[in-house]
Amino acid sequence: DIQMTQSPSSLSASIGDRVTLTCRASQYIGIYLNWYQQKPGRAPNLLIYGTYNLQGGVPSRFRGSGSETDFTLTISSLQPEDFATYYCQQSYSPPHTFGQGTKLEIK
Amino acid sequence: QVLLVQSGAEVKKPGASVKVSCKASGYTFFDYHIHWVRQAPGQGLEWMGWVNPRTGDTKYTRSFQGRVTLTWDTSSTTAHMEVHTLQSDDTAVFYCARENPSVGASPNLDFWGQGTLVTVSS
Repeated sequence: DIQMTQSPSSLSASIGDRVTLTCRASQYIGIYLNWYQQKPGRAPNLLIYGTYNLQGGVPSRFRGSGSETDFTLTISSLQPEDFATYYCQQSYSPPHTFGQGTKLEIK
Repeated sequence: QVLLVQSGAEVKKPGASVKVSCKASGYTFFDYHIHWVRQAPGQGLEWMGWVNPRTGDTKYTRSFQGRVTLTWDTSSTTAHMEVHTLQSDDTAVFYCARENPSVGASPNLDFWGQGTLVTVSS
């Protein structure tokens, strides 16, 4: 199975900051990488698919990049609604494993 | 609009089984795989498996193989997930989600159910 490792596990930042979250796959996954945002008590919400494609309705301050095994999610200017937990997921081969998540908190 | 509506919370004893349903609407049910994801309290997301309503194909992650059954009902456009021989560490929220194949990009889970809390307690 492909293992997905996210870093950091948690991150404190302020409104307006630029933050970068990383996700590493244990083997090649091409661009088969998705990012989800989850707020407490809610289902996850798709942000980015195929490494860099923004899901409809997602603000342009979210940007995904990377390929093969190393990927990043950048939020260019943090807004209050962005404080949540972020998960990466590979869909290159089943099982479609998730990373353990990065919790983004207000400083 | 696309909606996935899951059945309500359940409380089960260890050793029992639970069946969670996921009613799909707003799209052609056959055209999209349904995935299931587990989230234990305070923990991350764990992919469990998927079912292809058109072909009947299923895929399970190793840790759930043999203990989870994914089925569907064509007439009611509802997917079901049954977990057998429940243990206390199965206490979790279970989500269903629709897979968008996004040809040329990557398969992704674009719509999710609201989640079903299953509590396993003696």
